Amino acid sequence: EAGVTQFPSHSVIEKGQTVTLRCDPISGHDNLYWYRRVMGKEIKFLLHFVKESKQDESGMPNNRFLAERTGGTYSTLKVQPAELEDSGVYFCASSRGGDTQYFGPGTRLTVL
Amino acid sequence: GQSLEQPSEVTAVEGAIVQINCTYQTSGFYGLSWYQQHDGGAPTFLSYNGLDGLEETGRFSSFLSRSDSYGYLLLQELQMKDSASYFCAVRGATNKLIFGTGTLLAVQP
Repeated sequence: EAGVTQFPSHSVIEKGQTVTLRCDPISGHDNLYWYRRVMGKEIKFLLHFVKESKQDESGMPNNRFLAERTGGTYSTLKVQPAELEDSGVYFCASSRGGDTQYFGPGTRLTVL
Repeated sequence: GQSLEQPSEVTAVEGAIVQINCTYQTSGFYGLSWYQQHDGGAPTFLSYNGLDGLEETGRFSSFLSRSDSYGYLLLQELQMKDSASYFCAVRGATNKLIFGTGTLLAVQP
């Protein structure tokens, strides 16, 4: 069984540009989560999808961040326009129910 | 607010036993998980406690006391490959994980 995959692994963009991150959850996992770790701080929750519905988006920092999960399969997280403080590692995780969350390798975003 | 406290660093030698503590203060609590992360890679699930007591999985064990808002991860027979960051995480009402700041474990020969 393939794990959670994320693309790209690294992204370097300039302030003001747009970046789209992609996450493919484990097949059959209805729950998909986005987290990020900024500057060596703790990993922080961004949002949670159940199938294609947003269950909890309380962690989204501001309206420059837009997450979608059309069709309830893969998810994208768009940052537009990117700011310097958006730099960090963005992790995606998935779970079958409310149980163990399995994490992807992350996308390291650098905003210059 | 919500916070989870862990020691920032722990050093131990191969073959030893190490305990990483976690105290939490959160508005909702549905269990305590532990994750391992090597070199900033994917956090890997280690253990979960939904109820008080000890859970054992091979060389790793985890303990929870909900009345004390406290848990720990116990690593036995330490190996060099156990050098990594370890995170405790509280599962909240909507299944989101609230992570601690992480403990960097250095295993020395």
